[in-house]
Order: sequence, then structure tokens, then C-alpha cells
Amino acid sequence: GQQVMQIPQYQHVQEGEDFTTYCNSSTTLSNIQWYKQRPGGHPVFLIQLVKSGEVKKQKRLTFQFGEAKKNSSLHITATQTTDVGTYFCAANAGGTSYGKLTFGQGTILTVHP
Amino acid sequence: GAGVSQSPSNKVTEKGKDVELRCDPISGHTALYWYRQSLGQGLEFLIYFQGNSAPDKSGLPSDRFSAERTGGSVSTLTIQRTQQEDSAVYLCASSRLAGTHTQYFGPGTRLTVL
Repeated sequence: GQQVMQIPQYQHVQEGEDFTTYCNSSTTLSNIQWYKQRPGGHPVFLIQLVKSGEVKKQKRLTFQFGEAKKNSSLHITATQTTDVGTYFCAANAGGTSYGKLTFGQGTILTVHP
Repeated sequence: GAGVSQSPSNKVTEKGKDVELRCDPISGHTALYWYRQSLGQGLEFLIYFQGNSAPDKSGLPSDRFSAERTGGSVSTLTIQRTQQEDSAVYLCASSRLAGTHTQYFGPGTRLTVL
């Protein structure tokens, strides 16, 4: 079945440093979404990537979808303490699995002031 | 408008008892999802409903788990004969349509099986 690997599992950074989390799928994806979960909270949608090679930016966050639509990354420039939380990718394989999102294990980001 | 709501927020039960968890999706959303999140872990897909189509139950871990969605709106996740390994946060999400649409998550129900 669909497998999604997300690395690293944990990342500790000093405020102002950059952060990147990577998501890799065993199969070609229809689309991929990214979610953020603050400590004690629930996942909140950040972005969706659909096209091969797509790059989207939200302020300090840059999201990429690989050319083969099997991998994706989230990069945060100059982290702030408000960036603390767990970042999940969520993969949609499409086809008969359309509608079902397979979540990565998440990357827990800690930002030290 | 109101977001996704779930009840109860916390549920403590004894091993072997049945529990029902409720989800009220955002009005007008045709797709509804259930996930399970164990402490410090990712989200494990359980089941999703899309309109009047047959639900995708491929993530249900055993036949002790079942879910239904009445009238295309409210959903109930039932766990029969609960086990300690069922302890987790159960998250519900809804979206306008399944697949390419944003999923909006509820606050979750924290289930503890003693």
C-alpha cells in the first residue's frame, strides 16, 4: 500500500536558522498537502501541491513538489518561535484511493530563542 | 462559520466497554474523515465518507471499529470491546469534496482505555 516517509523525525534549531522537512512516497502522487500541528492542537492545512515541479511560497515557507511527483519538501527561512510544532505531509495517490490521504510521521520542530 | 466539532473531548473507559465518538462536520462539506493519532505519532487513516458513496474503510484496524454517517452530515465512530491499545486521540476532518480539497480538522477526542 501507499507509504510515505518523512524526515527528519525531530529538528531542533536556534531562532533565525533555516529548517527543512522532506517527504518521500513509494508511488507517484496525484497531489500532496502539508499540515501544521501546534503542541496540543489539531492539524491545520498549510498548502496543496498538484503539478510536477511546483513551487509555492507563503511568506517564509517554501513548498516544493518533485518533478516525478514522488517527493516534496517544506523549507522555512529564518525560523521564529511561532514556527514550533509538527509538520506533516499528506499524500494523495489518486486513482481508486482518491480522497484518502496518507500522512507522513511528521517532523517535530523545536525553535530555541 | 462553525468549524468541525467533536464530542466528547475526553473519554475514559474500561477495557471491554464500547464507546461512541461523534463528529459534526462543517455544513456543506460532503467528505468526512476519521484518523487516529497515538501519542507523539502521525495520523493513521481509519475511514472516509464521500457523499452517498460507499465509505472507504480500508484503514479500520479491526472489526471492532465501525463508523456511520447519517444524512450525509454527523458521523459516529464506534469502538466495541475497547482494548488498551485503542487509547489515542481520534480526529475527525471534513472537506468540501474528497481528494484535492483542504481537510479541516476538529479538536479530537482523547480516548483512554484503562
